Amino acid sequence: QVTLRESGPALVKPTQTLTLTCTFSGFSLSTGGMCVTWIRQPPGKALEWLARIDWDDDKYYSTSLKTRLTISKDTSKNQVVLTMTNMDPVDTATYYCARIRVGYGDYFFDFWGQGTLVTVSS
Amino acid sequence: QSALTQPASVSGSPGQSITISCTGTSSDVGGYKYVSWYQQHPGKAPKLMIYDVSNRPSGVSNRFSGSKSGNTASLTISGLQAEDEADYYCSSYTSSITHVFGTGTKVTVL
Repeated sequence: QVTLRESGPALVKPTQTLTLTCTFSGFSLSTGGMCVTWIRQPPGKALEWLARIDWDDDKYYSTSLKTRLTISKDTSKNQVVLTMTNMDPVDTATYYCARIRVGYGDYFFDFWGQGTLVTVSS
Repeated sequence: QSALTQPASVSGSPGQSITISCTGTSSDVGGYKYVSWYQQHPGKAPKLMIYDVSNRPSGVSNRFSGSKSGNTASLTISGLQAEDEADYYCSSYTSSITHVFGTGTKVTVL
């Protein structure tokens, strides 16, 4: 059974760095083809793709947010970490992690976490 | 990468069919078979409904179907039911080796 769960601070101040952790089970990022991605959704707005990390440690970022994002993995802990620097109130959103199996030719997000709401406010 | 364009809202009566469009460019929707659709109920995580333009995951009703023509993909819901009332998002792989979502469509069952 595949599950993912996001964790991190509910509130961050402007200019601070946000660190979110995705803890997953039911698959391993050491398995060829497996990937984890981050997606966010501001309140009442659309989904926005942020970043992806692959089993071979290849990393991909949203063009518009590339300078602020870093994605990494700890295979032994089944965790993926996303950091976003210089947070602003417009970054207030629910942040989701999801599985994607690019190495299998599957370019879709088949399992999602429940999301974690991050509010940026002083 | 600009968001894919979807109508803000679509409505229909129970039993009717509705279609949601998702328009991109040749660098995303038009260039790949990797278009997927997600259903999202309020306060819930998105759920995969269609992948690779027209394939349904196990457990998804066959009332949901997908297609693509050129740079526009479409999701059709036939035999509309009250439980189909939700937000729907398309997504595509892109030539920039990234992913992009649509602007989202609110489906209302009248």
